[in-house]
Amino acid sequence: GENVEQHPSTLSVQEGDSAVIKCTYSDSASNYFPWYKQELGKRPQLIIDIRSNVGEKKDQRIAVTLNKTAKHFSLHITETQPEDSAVYFCAASIRKTSYDKVIFGPGTSLSVIP
Amino acid sequence: EAQVTQNPRYLITVTGKKLTVTCSQNMNHEYMSWYRQDPGLGLRQIYYSMNVEVTDKGDVPEGYKVSRKEKRNFPLILESPSPNQTSLYFCASSPFSGYTGELFFGEGSRLTVL
Repeated sequence: GENVEQHPSTLSVQEGDSAVIKCTYSDSASNYFPWYKQELGKRPQLIIDIRSNVGEKKDQRIAVTLNKTAKHFSLHITETQPEDSAVYFCAASIRKTSYDKVIFGPGTSLSVIP
Repeated sequence: EAQVTQNPRYLITVTGKKLTVTCSQNMNHEYMSWYRQDPGLGLRQIYYSMNVEVTDKGDVPEGYKVSRKEKRNFPLILESPSPNQTSLYFCASSPFSGYTGELFFGEGSRLTVL
């Protein structure tokens, strides 16, 4: 069935270090991969996304890579700052007959230690 | 301000007492959806609506109902709440009927069923 796995479930890094979160999806028909950030007590918000025809996308300190063959995609955050502390959700979007179904991973709680 | 508004934000109720969580968006979005967020499980889709004419079940629809009588509103109805419906609920919308991009989330409604 359709599934998105996400690792690690928790991650602690020192301020200034890099953080990497990895996701695996099951359905090879997945074509869109968004990442959402949820700060404590807040709503999830899109931070970056990538489509299946692109291997890598970067936006300042964050980047996402996609390996379609292995069905893996990853979020990379460089020069982490305390405000990066949040729960991060990866997701995979699968095109159904007339709509896109989005499957979310279980989330990664990132703590950046000052 | 463009936003998705949910009410109530917090609710404690008892088993069997019908309740409705309202969701309204002012962005003229076609697509709306409800998710529940539980620790370790990520965001799971309850129901979605591609437009005012199409509403369908998501992955965890049992115990819930929805309606889409007008474009801006998408209420979630719990006819007979049970303790296993204690959760954090998010409404989300997207501009496109079939959803091909960013989801805009409401601020969430934390429900406790005793």
